[in-house]
Amino acid sequence: AQKITQTQPGMFVQEKEAVTLDCTYDTSDPSYGLFWYKQPSSGEMIFLIYQGSYDQQNATEGRYSLNFQKARKSANLVISASQLGDSAMYFCAVCSYTGGFKTIFGAGTRLFVKA
Amino acid sequence: DVKVTQSSRYLVKRTGEKVFLECVQDMDHENMFWYRQDPGLGLRLIYFSYDVKMKEKGDIPEGYSVSREKKERFSLILESASTNQTSMYLCASSTSGTGVTEAFFGQGTRLTVV
Repeated sequence: AQKITQTQPGMFVQEKEAVTLDCTYDTSDPSYGLFWYKQPSSGEMIFLIYQGSYDQQNATEGRYSLNFQKARKSANLVISASQLGDSAMYFCAVCSYTGGFKTIFGAGTRLFVKA
Repeated sequence: DVKVTQSSRYLVKRTGEKVFLECVQDMDHENMFWYRQDPGLGLRLIYFSYDVKMKEKGDIPEGYSVSREKKERFSLILESASTNQTSMYLCASSTSGTGVTEAFFGQGTRLTVV
């Protein structure tokens, strides 16, 4: 069975500093994808970054990077130079490519960026 | 732009009613999903479908059923609504192609069962 664990219900970060949001996952499938999504107070789900299980390098997208440690089943999101607009809920997800593309989400981390 | 549209933004239903939540996507995606989102619990998968007429149970299928008669449409059915099904329901779709297969979400339906 797939499982995602996000152990930080809430996080605070000072504007312009970096922050790491933790995510550990569990899946028995050898082929999978890891995703991070942002959900601002408006409610829409915004895709941020993707890491494939066979990708050797950590994914980066602008100020977002994914610290992928496969052996530890860890996929932490790093946001550099935090901005006030980064205040939102952040969800980690795993998609199994041998399980009909079943996609499971974690409980989320609420990030507060302080001015 | 990929568009996933849910039929209602807000719904209020009575206990025991049969409730239909509709979701339509316009990007020819193979996979479609229904989640419910509750504070502190994140998004929990109810059902998903990877092809027309195919459906798979997620983590919390009890009290729900689904229908996928056409590729673009995925319906969630609450057979007999109960107050513990009051929640935000999110529909999503994704492709099974190569490369990044992120999910695209609808705007959500906030269902209140009274």
